Amino acid sequence: EVQLLESGGGLVQPGGSLRLSCAASGFTFSSYAMTWVRQAPGKGLEWVSGIGGSGSGTYYADSVKGRFTISRDNSKNTLHLQMNSLRAEDTAVYYCAKVYSRWYSDYWGQGTLVTVSS
Amino acid sequence: DIQMTQSPSSVSASVGDRVTITCRASQGISSWLAWYQQKPGQAPKLLIYAASSLQSGVPSRFSGSGSGTDFTLTISSLQPEDFATYYCQQANSFPLTFGGGTKVEIK
Repeated sequence: EVQLLESGGGLVQPGGSLRLSCAASGFTFSSYAMTWVRQAPGKGLEWVSGIGGSGSGTYYADSVKGRFTISRDNSKNTLHLQMNSLRAEDTAVYYCAKVYSRWYSDYWGQGTLVTVSS
Repeated sequence: DIQMTQSPSSVSASVGDRVTITCRASQGISSWLAWYQQKPGQAPKLLIYAASSLQSGVPSRFSGSGSGTDFTLTISSLQPEDFATYYCQQANSFPLTFGGGTKVEIK
């Protein structure tokens, strides 16, 4: 059974940093691209970042480019999102998702809440 | 960036109704489109990929169609468990983008 478990969310001040992690199990992690998607309170889905299975290709939304860094540790079946220079508008539930075929997300974690506030 | 526009933003329907949601891309995306269902407090669920392919385990009352810029998600006979918000997502190019969502509510 595929399982994705996000961690690392919490309350952070504007300008601060946070590192999210996503522990994956139930599939061959290194064979699949992964992605982060966020959802601000009461709002729709926003794609944040994606990474290829080998980690060679990384992709970002314009809103986070230069501030967020996606990475993966295939030896530990873990996906990360390093978030720097956080802003109030980064407040959201952050989901990690496994990519099926062409950047479609077939399995999702339950999300971790990031709140950026002073 | 490719903009995805969904309509309507909300729809009220009854159990058994046929419901159609549309998604328009700001430029051609071939058939690189997915539909997701999200219920309150839950993660999204993949329903349709490649515009018309039904994800494993998804009931056959869900169907997708379209190519290029115009796409449709149809629920042939609405069931109580289908009341949720639906999102389209283009997978043609980065950055990936989602539509604004369509909330299907009980009439």
